[in-house]
Amino acid sequence: DTAVSQTPKYLVTQMGNDKSIKCEQNLGHDTMYWYKQDSKKFLKIMFSYNNKELIINETVPNRFSPKSPDKAHLNLHINSLELGDSAVYFCASSQKGVGNTIYFGEGSWLTVV
Amino acid sequence: RKEVEQDPGPFNVPEGATVAFNCTYSNSASQSFFWYRQDCRKEPKLLMSVYSSGNEDGRFTAQLNRASQYISLLIRDSKLSDSATYLCVVIVYNTDKLIFGTGTRLQVFP
Repeated sequence: DTAVSQTPKYLVTQMGNDKSIKCEQNLGHDTMYWYKQDSKKFLKIMFSYNNKELIINETVPNRFSPKSPDKAHLNLHINSLELGDSAVYFCASSQKGVGNTIYFGEGSWLTVV
Repeated sequence: RKEVEQDPGPFNVPEGATVAFNCTYSNSASQSFFWYRQDCRKEPKLLMSVYSSGNEDGRFTAQLNRASQYISLLIRDSKLSDSATYLCVVIVYNTDKLIFGTGTRLQVFP
């Protein structure tokens, strides 16, 4: 079983559309994250949730809205997609506490045309 | 200045070579340190944690220099399968936020 799974893996969509990426982890972790990796391969945190509560919001445009219905799920909804949103979005999870390993999903390749 | 800086490379080395990567971090409150590996079009995966006294895992050795705020990764006897991007990762004290460097690309050739 995949520990952190996200869907869809590939998404091509037009500017202005609204899309969602779903993420689920079966590791029993308390903390989940969304990271964005841009064309220069720089991996940057967007959001972090702990037990459904928003902990980190890294000045992401409010077109991006995470939703955590329970601690095993963290979905990402993006409104009014822009060309600059094209990137790979990685979901991840870890057990709360400094120094614990973070496990990534396989990534969702978003291309906005 | 980026919070975590790495030489992007690429480092092109022959099989069997020893190669070393460095990483510097700017926040002196950084508390935990890791090396992650990312293969092309794949997700990052933990390679090893970095401890203050330095630590070794097979062919891989990690070192931490808190005074100079840098971390290193040494790979001995490089294999073709070591070809990947190596990401330096730092966690600042009292946060759960992993801060990634831009990565150093390693290409091992036969």
